[in-house]
Amino acid sequence: QQQVKQSPQSLIVQKGGISIINCAYENTAFDYFPWYQQFPGKGPALLIAIRPDVSEKKEGRFTISFNKSAKQFSLHIMDSQPGDSATYFCAASNAGGTSYGKLTFGQGTILTVHP
Amino acid sequence: GAGVSQTPSNKVTEKGKYVELRCDPISGHTALYWYRQSLGQGPEFLIYFQGTGAADDSGLPNDRFFAVRPEGSVSTLKIQRTERGDSAVYLCASSLGTMNTGELFFGEGSRLTVL
Repeated sequence: QQQVKQSPQSLIVQKGGISIINCAYENTAFDYFPWYQQFPGKGPALLIAIRPDVSEKKEGRFTISFNKSAKQFSLHIMDSQPGDSATYFCAASNAGGTSYGKLTFGQGTILTVHP
Repeated sequence: GAGVSQTPSNKVTEKGKYVELRCDPISGHTALYWYRQSLGQGPEFLIYFQGTGAADDSGLPNDRFFAVRPEGSVSTLKIQRTERGDSAVYLCASSLGTMNTGELFFGEGSRLTVL
């Protein structure tokens, strides 16, 4: 009930290409869906987040697409750059409940962008 | 410092020993979270504090784990009788509050290795 499933585990993209990472959740009480970026030896950093009242949110090259009925959401990175090479985590929480910060994370996707 | 500070950055201990991990959150942040990240996995929620009190400790794996935040700022995660399975990176995060969708700021983590 609390799981967030993320795919793929790893992704290799050429510079300038589009990176797409998908997540699916089970708990219908989740109402806050952030994506985090983590570089080796560093803590995760918030990239972009969405609430279920919208189907898409775009910030620069990063877009979240959200499908409430399918309980799925995805991250699209346009014009991928070598500096985007990192591990990406989707997450979910019940912001309307106890705390938006009590996050359930996916397993992570290691993104490599070749120059 | 401007960010979340965690000490030590690395801790190697022997099975059965007691360990303390410290987190200094961003000044003014009332909410503080502890997560545990095993190799190749997403962070797992352990406990969070709103002020001095533990608002939710449902993620603590067993009674060997305990955390305190006596003055509502610095927090210490305490692990008794460490086991090899406790080896992981322990992440601390802070935020301005819990009942909003603002950003969760993570530290770089304390890497615990239990021999």
